[in-house]
Amino acid sequence: GAGVSQSPSNKVTEKGKDVELRCDPISGHTALYWYRQSLGQGLEFLIYFQGNSAPDKSGLPSDRFSAERTGGSVSTLTIQRTQQEDSAVYLCASSLGRSGLGVLYFGPGTRLTVT
Amino acid sequence: AQSVTQLDSHVSVSEGTPVLLRCNYSSSYSPSLFWYVQHPNKGLQLLLKYTSAATLVKGISGFEAEFKKSETSFHLTKPSAHMSDAAEYFCVVSDLRGSSNTGKLIFGQGTTLQVKP
Repeated sequence: GAGVSQSPSNKVTEKGKDVELRCDPISGHTALYWYRQSLGQGLEFLIYFQGNSAPDKSGLPSDRFSAERTGGSVSTLTIQRTQQEDSAVYLCASSLGRSGLGVLYFGPGTRLTVT
Repeated sequence: AQSVTQLDSHVSVSEGTPVLLRCNYSSSYSPSLFWYVQHPNKGLQLLLKYTSAATLVKGISGFEAEFKKSETSFHLTKPSAHMSDAAEYFCVVSDLRGSSNTGKLIFGQGTTLQVKP
C-alpha cells in the first residue's frame, strides 16, 4: 500500500520568501507529525496533529512557522519569510495515534535550501 | 522531561563482527524505547521497540536491544554485521502512558554505522 508521501522532494528558495511543504499521510492514520532534520542535529519535533487539531505545537521554532491539517488527512507546513537557518530536511510521519504504540511511518522528506 | 543520549556519533566495524550501538535514556515515567534506522536516501524505519514486556527485544535484520532499568540503557546489538547494515541509527524515547501522551517521539542525535569489507 501507499506510504507517507511528501512534496516537493526538494525546494530551493531565496531568503525572505514563503514556502509550503505538503504531507499526505497513510490513509486511516489519525496522528500526524512534522519533524526537522538538520545536519548533525538529529530529528527535532515541530508539531503533532490528532485529526485536524494540533494539541502539541511546542516544537515550532518561531511564529514564522505554522501548519494545518484538513479533512484529517493532508497537512501543510508553511514557513514565512524564510531564513538560512531554516535549511533542513523536513520530515512528516503518521501513525494510528495512541493505539499505534509509538510506531511512526515516515515520508521521504522535503529538502529545503534557503539561499 | 524525557531524553536519550547516544554515546557514539560514529561506529565502524568490519563485516562479520559484532555491532554495539549505545544509548542511555532519561525518563520520569517507565519509558517506551525504540530504535529507528535511516538508510542513505531512504526514509526512517522502525527497527524495534520496547514497551515494558520482555526486556530483550528482537527486531528486524537480526538486531536486538536489551532494556536495563538499573543502567538506564537500551543498547542495540547484532552478532554479525553485514554491509547492508551501514546506516544512521536513532535511539528514541516516548511516554505512551502519561496523561498528556501524544505519541511524540524524542530522538537521539544518531549514530552512523560504517561497515568495512
